[in-house]
Amino acid sequence: EPEVTQTPSHQVTQMGQEVILRCVPISNHLYFYWYRQILGQKVEFLVSFYNNEISEKSEIFDDQFSVERPDGSNFTLKIRSTKLEDSAMYFCASSDIQQIMNTEAFFGQGTRLTVV
Amino acid sequence: AQSVTQPDIHITVSEGASLELRCNYSYGATPYLFWYVQSPGQGLQLLLKYFSGDTLVQGIKGFEAEFKRSQSSFNLRKPSVHWSDAAEYFCAVGLNTGNQFYFGTGTSLTVIP
Repeated sequence: EPEVTQTPSHQVTQMGQEVILRCVPISNHLYFYWYRQILGQKVEFLVSFYNNEISEKSEIFDDQFSVERPDGSNFTLKIRSTKLEDSAMYFCASSDIQQIMNTEAFFGQGTRLTVV
Repeated sequence: AQSVTQPDIHITVSEGASLELRCNYSYGATPYLFWYVQSPGQGLQLLLKYFSGDTLVQGIKGFEAEFKRSQSSFNLRKPSVHWSDAAEYFCAVGLNTGNQFYFGTGTSLTVIP
C-alpha cells in the first residue's frame, strides 16, 4: 500500500539552528501539506503546496518557515532559526486531487522535533 | 472560528467491550467530518468520513460514526474492541473551501485484556 514517509523520525536541534524535515509523498500525488502537533495540543495546519507554490498557509507559517519540492520526490519543510516553541510532531500529508475533502489525505508517521 | 473538541483525553476499555469516542465541532454549516487513527510509529490513517447523506457511516476496522446535527457531534463507535485498536484517535473537520483540516486534540485509547 502506498505511504507517505518522513525522515528523520526524531530530530534534536539547538535553538537558533536551521532544520529541514523531509517527506516523500505518494508518487502520483500533486498536493502536499504540513501539519504540526505540539505535545498535548491540537494538530494544526501549517501549509499546503501545489504546482511548486504555496496554495494556503496558516498564521503559524511565518517567515521562519519555508517549503520546497527540490526534486520529483521530496517535499521539505525548513525552519530557518528554531525556537523552543517549534518543538512538536510535524506531519506531512499528500493527496491526489485539490479538493482534499473529496479524497483521502495520506499522512506520514511524523517527525518529532525537539528544540533545546 | 471552526473548532473541534474531543473531551476525553484518555480512555481505557477492556478487550471485547464497546467503545464510543466523542467529538463535537463548531462550524456554521455542515462540515466534512473525519476520524483518523494513529498507531505507535505510524502515520495518521483515515478510519471514516462524512460528507452528506446517511448520517451513520461505516469505516475500516469495524468502526462507525454517527453525525448528529442537533448536537454538532460525530462520535466514533465500535461494538467490540480488539487489543490492536489501542492507538490515538483524532476527529477532524474540513470545510468545503480550502484544503485544511481542523483537528481535535486526540483521544488515547488503551485496551486491557
